[in-house]
Amino acid sequence: DVKVTQSSRYLVKRTGEKVFLECVQDMDHENMFWYRQDPGLGLRLIYFSYDVKMKEKGDIPEGYSVSREKKERFSLILESASTNQTSMYLCASSFGHFMNTEAFFGQGTRLTVV
Amino acid sequence: DQQVKQNSPSLSVQEGRISILNCDYTNSMFDYFLWYKKYPAEGPTFLISISSIKDKNEDGRFTVFLNKSAKHLSLHIVPSQPGDSAVYFCAAIFTGNQFYFGTGTSLTVIP
Repeated sequence: DVKVTQSSRYLVKRTGEKVFLECVQDMDHENMFWYRQDPGLGLRLIYFSYDVKMKEKGDIPEGYSVSREKKERFSLILESASTNQTSMYLCASSFGHFMNTEAFFGQGTRLTVV
Repeated sequence: DQQVKQNSPSLSVQEGRISILNCDYTNSMFDYFLWYKKYPAEGPTFLISISSIKDKNEDGRFTVFLNKSAKHLSLHIVPSQPGDSAVYFCAAIFTGNQFYFGTGTSLTVIP
């Protein structure tokens, strides 16, 4: 079974802190994604990566950056956390190589910024 | 602009009846469509998918229908069960890379 693991289920951080959310997948997938889920807004793409050291902005990249130094790991960084970044963050991975397959999600990280 | 839309935020259905969840898209380049189910405080899990070359795909109680001319897909759940109560997201992709998700429909199956 594909496993996508996010480092924390719940996080509470203070405004202005630098926050790291880590995601690891074990299926050698090319693509990795970071989404946030907010009520009424669905899943919005923050960043995605289709290869090591490659990244593409999604719909809402402002205030975030990402890092993909190894194929299995994709990190989301909140440079200076703000209260409007309180949300559920979801990492996902998919096979890539221009093949249409499903994406597999991690369990999510509920981040609260106070 | 939202390329994948789910216009019904919520749906209630009696146990044993059919649940029909709808999704519309705007980009004719999408060539693969998926449905995901999400429980609170968990990540979405994949349910069923359909390629743009098909108009129907069935997996047990779940059937997805695709109407390309109308840019519309739907998920049918028959019979509905209380455990189906969750938020359902439709998604679309092209080139096998970026996934575009709808805003979700919260399904409640009433025992």
